[in-house]
Amino acid sequence: QAQLVQSGAEVKKPGASLKVSCRASGYTFIEQYINWVRQAPGQGPEWMGRINPNGGGTMYSQKFQGRVTMTRDTSITTVYMEMSRLRSDDTAVYYCARSSRLYYHGMDIWGQGTTVTVS
Amino acid sequence: DIILTQSPLSLPVTPGESASISCRSSQSLVHRDGYDYLDWYLQKPGQAPQLLIYFASYRASGVPDRFSGSGSDTEFTLKIDRVEAEDVGVYYCMQALQTPWTFGQGTKVEVK
Repeated sequence: QAQLVQSGAEVKKPGASLKVSCRASGYTFIEQYINWVRQAPGQGPEWMGRINPNGGGTMYSQKFQGRVTMTRDTSITTVYMEMSRLRSDDTAVYYCARSSRLYYHGMDIWGQGTTVTVS
Repeated sequence: DIILTQSPLSLPVTPGESASISCRSSQSLVHRDGYDYLDWYLQKPGQAPQLLIYFASYRASGVPDRFSGSGSDTEFTLKIDRVEAEDVGVYYCMQALQTPWTFGQGTKVEVK
């Protein structure tokens, strides 16, 4: 069955950079966008942006433009989210979630989440 | 950005009864393809959000038919019939009409 598996928890110092991975399996990798959604403690989810694995095109929320980079490696069906210049308010659980390129049907498969602590 | 406003923010429910959550959008969510790009997600404690409804009223695969979505344009409702203990968590609406996709504040459903 389709699944997304993320890399493990991270602890970073302010000003450092972060790279989280999301490995896809059980479906055709290039047919689904991968979105990144984060959730700060006690807050609602926040959409950060998405990558099209078919070509690598990206779309970022303006809030994260210039600080976030999403890439993919099709050979290992993995997407990466890099964030630079980390601040304490970047402390959150980061999720990847897929959505269809061809026919929208919501973000139907989510990774387990990666807890990032900036301190 | 599109703002989604949910109500109520907290909803105690009795098992077996029904519950409704409202989501109001600051802009119409009707796409030129005719669909309303409004989703509903449930986040159970300690878990990732899970998709319940997309296009305002289309149930996602595997979602019990106790869950139904309705509405269009700027007003949407999620209804849960015959609430069960496993339905507790925070329910979010989310718009996918325009980026950045945005979520409502969430409605915490608790079983009495």
